[in-house]
Amino acid sequence: GAGVSQSPRYKVAKRGQDVALRCDPISGHVSLFWYQQALGQGPEFLTYFQNEAQLDKSGLPSDRFFAERPEGSVSTLKIQRTQQEDSAVYLCASSLERILTANTEAFFGQGTRLTVV
Amino acid sequence: TQLLEQSPQFLSIQEGENLTVYCNSSSVFSSLQWYRQEPGEGPVLLVTVVTGGEVKKLKRLTFQFGDARKDSSLHITAAQPGDTGLYLCAGPRLNYGGSQGNLIFGKGTKLSVKP
Repeated sequence: GAGVSQSPRYKVAKRGQDVALRCDPISGHVSLFWYQQALGQGPEFLTYFQNEAQLDKSGLPSDRFFAERPEGSVSTLKIQRTQQEDSAVYLCASSLERILTANTEAFFGQGTRLTVV
Repeated sequence: TQLLEQSPQFLSIQEGENLTVYCNSSSVFSSLQWYRQEPGEGPVLLVTVVTGGEVKKLKRLTFQFGDARKDSSLHITAAQPGDTGLYLCAGPRLNYGGSQGNLIFGKGTKLSVKP
């Protein structure tokens, strides 16, 4: 596809339910990022992949959050035993370069809006 | 800890007015980026500033990077309703060892331009 694609666009989960959010990056992009954006706030970093390697997961808020990118392309963010505070928009971004520099651009998907009830 | 603080948090103006929004940090950044995000969409890159003191213009938008590379501003001339959105500044976070990994974002300025 032409851009970063995320699915589903909207997800309503009951508290305690597990969810899986999918990100299809731009073809050939090496780096992939997941961000969490609460209502009215800026995106908060969750985790970063370079190809299939997860280089930084320091932003994952708890061990209920898990991300993978097994073949260096599609990535899945999994949240186990969802809680109300997990309600947010989850954004995925990809970049052609291995690291973000002044000459690189991160392209964002439209996000998945997760509501935990 | 690298933090980016944006002000004002909210701004509501009439079409045709000028405005400036700010992005400040106590840390030095090698570059700063400005994004605009519309409801239901992901952020879209507007510009990257790299050199201290640099000024970049994008039609009615003027971006400036502070001399010390700790702050940036975005000035919009003759705002239009189409400028409405969340304006985010972002910079590369330095990981341990000095390598640049992910982007950190400010909380954004929510701009509303009324016709």
